[in-house]
Amino acid sequence: QVQLVESGGGVGQPGRSLRLPCKASGFTFRNYVLHWVRQAPGKGLEWVSSISPDGNKKFFALFVRGRFTISRDNSNDTLFLHMNNLRPEDTAIYYCARDGDIYGSGGYFDYWGQGTLVTVSS
Amino acid sequence: SYVLTQPPSVSVAPGQTAKMTCGGHNIGGKSVHWYQQRPGQAPVLVVFDDRDRPSGIPERFSGSNSGNTATLTISRVEAGDEADYYCQVWDSVSDDYVFGSGTKVTVL
Repeated sequence: QVQLVESGGGVGQPGRSLRLPCKASGFTFRNYVLHWVRQAPGKGLEWVSSISPDGNKKFFALFVRGRFTISRDNSNDTLFLHMNNLRPEDTAIYYCARDGDIYGSGGYFDYWGQGTLVTVSS
Repeated sequence: SYVLTQPPSVSVAPGQTAKMTCGGHNIGGKSVHWYQQRPGQAPVLVVFDDRDRPSGIPERFSGSNSGNTATLTISRVEAGDEADYYCQVWDSVSDDYVFGSGTKVTVL
């Protein structure tokens, strides 16, 4: 069965960096667009970033552009979110999610990980 | 950027029908997707492409989309349906995946 397992969350100071891995299993990883979605405490869902199956195309929400980057390791079935220059408003649960359409972007998220909590605080 | 509007809450008695809306400019021209998020859990896709259900999602969940409003309907509501429900679209103008603010469904 499809599984996505995030890790790497914790407490980070403002201005510092964190890297979140998401280990996938149960599907052909290299065939799918993958995404990061976050949820601040008590708030709604917010798309963060997406990456194409080959890793060559990357997309970011305006509020993280220039601070976060996304990458993937198709030989190890792992997605990454690299978070730089962290701000208190980046405090959230970060979910990795698989795109609903093989090869392309179906525009939705059919499987989600359990999430990892990032807290930005001094 | 594109905005999706959802009512904050809907209350329904067990066995009855819950309907929740998702408003957006000409949303009928977009594909709408719906997620259920129970407290403390990750979201689960319940409807995609306006009205399709992933495998394992009961037929009690159905969707429609026309004009400026998309609707998720839950028939024969059960206690386990109590959750937050989010609508979502992909906005081709901004290349953003947009979520509504969510509707909390309370089963009385």
